[in-house]
Amino acid sequence: GAVVSQHPSRVICKSGTSVKIECRSLDFQATTMFWYRQFPKQSLMLMATSNEGSKATYEQGVEKDKFLINHASLTLSTLTVTSAHPEDSSFYICSARVVAGYGYTFGSGTRLTVV
Amino acid sequence: QKEVEQDPGPLSVPEGAIVSLNCTYSNSAFQYFMWYRQYSRKGPELLMYTYSSGNKEDGRFTAQVDKSSKYISLFIRDSQPSDSATYLCAMSIPGGSNYKLTFGKGTLLTVNP
Repeated sequence: GAVVSQHPSRVICKSGTSVKIECRSLDFQATTMFWYRQFPKQSLMLMATSNEGSKATYEQGVEKDKFLINHASLTLSTLTVTSAHPEDSSFYICSARVVAGYGYTFGSGTRLTVV
Repeated sequence: QKEVEQDPGPLSVPEGAIVSLNCTYSNSAFQYFMWYRQYSRKGPELLMYTYSSGNKEDGRFTAQVDKSSKYISLFIRDSQPSDSATYLCAMSIPGGSNYKLTFGKGTLLTVNP
């Protein structure tokens, strides 16, 4: 149980375009989802926390206009990287807090390459 | 000082060895402690989850929390090549800041057959 499905797993886009990444909780309701960014051989860096039906809370230094997060339902949160540039190339991972067990389950990640 | 410190390794052991992974932390408000395993280019997978101090065992894995020393450990017995991955410790404060996790840097483990 407590599965988070993340799509796409891999995307290549041209500089200046926007990319949307989706995370769905398949068998539970995720009131809170977290979006992380991970550089090679580095730990996860929290970008923002989204609560269903309200605005996301962004970590210091994360551009909210560039990384748009929407959490319109209890099972879906999306991250849109707007006007992507090569420096946005990274591994993006979502996570949801599983209330019952107080664990956190992660999506499989999206590798974004901006060319 | 970072909130959570974890030796990034890399750590290389022979198959069958006992592996010890550790994290230290500075914020005494942390109450929930987790260990995640992350294979290359995949999302982290929860291995162990403990609340406050004590030990927890699950198969070949044992997690220990010593709150007095602000020190947590993960032991892997009879390590297997399939255990080769990056291990991340994570912790959170009950009810704090949307329950967000604070991660260590991760330790890269290689188990050699």
